This record gives sequence, structure tokens and C-alpha cells, in this order.
Amino acid sequence: GAGVSQSPSNKVTEKGKDVELRCDPISGHTALYWYRQSLGQGLEFLIYFQGNSAPDKSGLPSDRFSAERTGGSVSTLTIQRTQQEDSAVYLCASSPGLAGVGVNEQFFGPGTRLTVL
Amino acid sequence: KNEVEQSPQNLTAQEGEFITINCSYSVGISALHWLQQHPGGGIVSLFMLSSGKKKHGRLIATINIQEKHSSLHITASHPRDSAVYICAVPRYGQNFVFGPGTRLSVLP
Repeated sequence: GAGVSQSPSNKVTEKGKDVELRCDPISGHTALYWYRQSLGQGLEFLIYFQGNSAPDKSGLPSDRFSAERTGGSVSTLTIQRTQQEDSAVYLCASSPGLAGVGVNEQFFGPGTRLTVL
Repeated sequence: KNEVEQSPQNLTAQEGEFITINCSYSVGISALHWLQQHPGGGIVSLFMLSSGKKKHGRLIATINIQEKHSSLHITASHPRDSAVYICAVPRYGQNFVFGPGTRLSVLP
């Protein structure tokens, strides 16, 4: 399909292990967002990429979290030395990122459910 | 005080009823999003608006920038409208802050 895809859909890991979550945005979308939704909680902004600009990392909860976006397309969110409180659904969204339009509509992926044992 | 608040937190309605969900915010914004999260977790963007009113099918969204308030209305509600409705505003740039959501259940 032409939507945002994420992989894996589910990930179970042991405390202390590193995990990588992948997001494939809609082709041509220059803006990409990562969010987190803990059980029973609201959505939480993590990081935002726009084209070749420096990403807005202001939402990353600790230095164990990092993200990169290669070639302006696919993005990987990495969590090092996972903790139980990292358990959540990690959502990716993309938008056209049209200049001068302000905030653009976002298209969300299905999410990756991360469980840290 | 939370930056984005929604009311009610939970709402149960009978099929066919007119529904209103409210969102109030304290951050400065350029636009506000209304999102729908289905019971399975998938999120769909319903509206993005910066002024006035938008309509899509049975859904209507309004915003009052001066009062920092937005409403989402659903006319002739249907059980398939059952979901969590979330409003989101950019705190600055593209750094979004989300409301806690309103859980809507429409009974047949």
C-alpha cells in the first residue's frame, strides 16, 4: 500500500537490550515524526525530521533514545539498554512538509508495540 | 494546568445522537489537529484547521483562536464512530502536544 509502514509490529525484548524500530514514510513526504503512547496514556512527541534540516529532538526522554533518517526517507528509532518503562507503542507519522503551509496533515503508521520484560 | 485539555473524558451515546467533543489549549498554535484512534490502535487524521470551520461527511470541526478552543461534532452518530478522539496542537514548530483523548462509545 501507499501508507506509512512500521516494523516490526510487535517486539518483545529483555531489559538492557538494544532495539531498533523502523518507519517507512509515504513516498515524497519530507516530514517524519516519532511518537510514543504508553499504556493508558496519551501520545507523546519524541522527534521530528524535516528534509535535510537538523531534527527536533526535544521530545526524546533520555540519551538512550536516538533516531536517524537515511536519504530523507526511512527512519530508525533506536533505544539502547531498554528499561521496562520504555514499554509502549511507538508510532511514526509522515506529512508532505510543504513549505509555507505551516502545520501539515500527518499520516500515521500502525505502530510498533514494544514490550520490555 | 495541562497545555491541552479535552472534555468529556468519556462519552456514551445512543446511535443517532449529536455529539460534541471539546478541546481547550494554552499553547500558541498555527493549526490544530483532530485525530481518531480506533479500538485496534490505528490513528487517522480527521481535520487540520487554523480558523473557522471544516466539514467532512458527518464530522464538523470548529476553532476559535481568540478563545483557544476547538470543538468536534458528530451528527447522526453510529456505532462505527466509537473511538478515542484526540486533539493536538504544536507547542512550537512541529513539536506537538496531545490532549488526553475523549473515549466515545456509540451504542446501537
